[in-house]
Amino acid sequence: AQSVTQPDIHITVSEGASLELRCNYSYGATPYLFWYVQSPGQGLQLLLKYFSGDTLVQGIKGFEAEFKRSQSSFNLRKPSVHWSDAAEYFCAVGAVDSSYKLIFGSGTRLLVRP
Amino acid sequence: ETGVTQTPRHLVMGMTNKKSLKCEQHLGHNAMYWYKQSAKKPLELMFVYSLEERVENNSVPSRFSPECPNSSHLFLHLHTLQPEDSALYLCASSQVAGNTIYFGEGSWLTVV
Repeated sequence: AQSVTQPDIHITVSEGASLELRCNYSYGATPYLFWYVQSPGQGLQLLLKYFSGDTLVQGIKGFEAEFKRSQSSFNLRKPSVHWSDAAEYFCAVGAVDSSYKLIFGSGTRLLVRP
Repeated sequence: ETGVTQTPRHLVMGMTNKKSLKCEQHLGHNAMYWYKQSAKKPLELMFVYSLEERVENNSVPSRFSPECPNSSHLFLHLHTLQPEDSALYLCASSQVAGNTIYFGEGSWLTVV
């Protein structure tokens, strides 16, 4: 069965500092991997996705993520965080053989210090 | 503008009321979903419709009743809810084979 672990419940970084949010997944084959962001009171917005090919994927708002099969990880990074990046971030894994079995991690809340 | 529109954005209902949440997608997708998001819990998939046919029902209590009249519209009918059903209900859509899910803004439900 698929599963997703986001080990950090909260992360606080200073504005302008770099960011890395961790995501580990469990799946028997090559998964589809996603990062979503949720601002307070809003729905989830897709940041980026990995289906195949280049393991470093670029997303919106200056985010990128790297798929590392050997570590079963798909960590999200941003070189310089802006105050508007404060939100909750969700990693998700989808099964290659199904279009709707998307499993979400429990989320990481990002706080940005001025 | 997300392409997936949910109404109402906020709903307060009593335990004996009957209400409905509505979702409309403008993305030409063929699959639609209801997710429940409660505080301190992971997102829970409730229902999935693919080509207007229900393909997933994750042990959701019968007081939640989905309806998908066409590929653009999805409803969640609510009756005799409990206070623990208070949550953010998120609608989403995707291409059947695309596996990228796009979410609406959510409907905040409070059961009193």
